[in-house]
Amino acid sequence: EPEVTQTPSHQVTQMGQEVILRCVPISNHLYFYWYRQILGQKVEFLVSFYNNEISEKSEIFDDQFSVERPDGSNFTLKIRSTKLEDSAMYFCASTPWGQGTYGYTFGSGTRLTVV
Amino acid sequence: GQQLNQSPQSMFIQEGEDVSMNCTSSSIFNTWLWYKQEPGEGPVLLIALYKAGELTSNGRLTAQFGITRKDSFLNISASIPSDVGIYFCAGANTGTASKLTFGTGTRLQVTL
Repeated sequence: EPEVTQTPSHQVTQMGQEVILRCVPISNHLYFYWYRQILGQKVEFLVSFYNNEISEKSEIFDDQFSVERPDGSNFTLKIRSTKLEDSAMYFCASTPWGQGTYGYTFGSGTRLTVV
Repeated sequence: GQQLNQSPQSMFIQEGEDVSMNCTSSSIFNTWLWYKQEPGEGPVLLIALYKAGELTSNGRLTAQFGITRKDSFLNISASIPSDVGIYFCAGANTGTASKLTFGTGTRLQVTL
């Protein structure tokens, strides 16, 4: 079964440092997403991305965050200057198309710990 | 913003019991999804509902899309230990690049 792959599985970083979280979406999917889950809380939408552009972003996704599809397979989330409150699980997801939720698949996540 | 509240927050049940959990929204969705999350993993889709009133089953799981489009429930029959996890509902109003709005989750523990 096709999978969304995320690396690393766990990242520890110092406050103020930049981090890049990486995702390889399912190969024939065209829409990509990042979500965040603070420990013990619900999963929250950050951003959706299609055709090399952000389609929608939440109020959490401020100027400290950026996304990029640097090549044909990777989709990255960059946090420019990490804060303690950025500590969370970050999930990447992809869908084959934007209409509907068919095939909406999540990766296993990257646990980001900011110290 | 849209809020999805799930109840109960947590459940402790014995193996073999049936489970029911629900999700209510402050606004309408045209798609409801139910996910299960296990520790250290991402959400895994259990059931998708696309039409108000729809009742869909997946093995021992049954979910319904409420007529008002503001609620959904998930039932698990004859629970087994591997049902342990956190169950999330999620709503979507499908358009370009559909975002999911997740509920607060129901933590299920199954004892032998």
